[in-house]
Amino acid sequence: QVQLQESGPGLVKPSQTLSLTCTVSGGSISSGSYYWSWIRQPAGKGLEWIGRIYTSGSTNYNPSLKSRVTISVDTSKNQFSLKLSSVTAADTAVYYCAREGIAARPYAFDIWGQGTMVTVSS
Amino acid sequence: QSALTQPASVSGSPGQSITISCTGTSSDVGGYNYVSWYQQHPGKAPKLMIYDVSKRPSGVSNRFSGSKSGNTASLTISGLQAEDEADYYCSSYTSSSTFVVFGGGTKLTVL
Repeated sequence: QVQLQESGPGLVKPSQTLSLTCTVSGGSISSGSYYWSWIRQPAGKGLEWIGRIYTSGSTNYNPSLKSRVTISVDTSKNQFSLKLSSVTAADTAVYYCAREGIAARPYAFDIWGQGTMVTVSS
Repeated sequence: QSALTQPASVSGSPGQSITISCTGTSSDVGGYNYVSWYQQHPGKAPKLMIYDVSKRPSGVSNRFSGSKSGNTASLTISGLQAEDEADYYCSSYTSSSTFVVFGGGTKLTVL
C-alpha cells in the first residue's frame, strides 16, 4: 500500500527557507492519477492547504502563500518537496504531505504522511 | 478564520447519533459535490472518512455518513463509540484559486 513520509529540519530560523521532502513508497508518484499536496496545521488549529503538484511538474498554490512557496517533484526518487521562503513564527506548524485524487476522489486527500513539526525560531 | 464554518464542539453518549455541520457558500459546499470529512486523533494525521459528500472509502465504518443541503454539509456518526472521540474537519472544492478549503474543525467528545 502507498505510504508517505515527510523529512526535513524541525527548526528553521526566521527569514530563512523551510525545506521538506515527502517520499512516496509502495507506489509510483508518476502514476498520473493523483496530485501530491502539502498541508499544514499550527498547534491547536485547523488545516491549511499549501499547494500541490502533478507528476508533470504542474503546480497550484494557495494564493495566501503563493509568493513564498515552491513545490517540486523528483520522479526518479519518487519524492516531492516543499520550499517556503522568508518564514516567520506564523509558519510554525505540523506539515503534512498527502495524496489527492484526480478522476477518483477529486479534491479529497486519501493518504497522508505522519506529519513533521517545524518550528520557526532563532 | 476558516473558509468553512463548523461548530467548535459536539458531544454524545455511546450508542447515540451525532451530526456535525459544515457551512460554506455557493462557491464551495453549495456549488459542488466535492465535500470531504476527516477524522483526526491527537498527534495523528487526518484520516479520510467521507468524500464526494457521501461516499465512504473502503474500510470506513458504515456508522459514518455524509449529506448536503444547500450550502451546508453534514457528517453523521451513528452508534457512537469511544474511539470516535476525535477532531473532525470538513473540506470542499472551491471555485476560488485556493482549490480546497477546510473547516475550523469540531471536537467530538464521547461522554
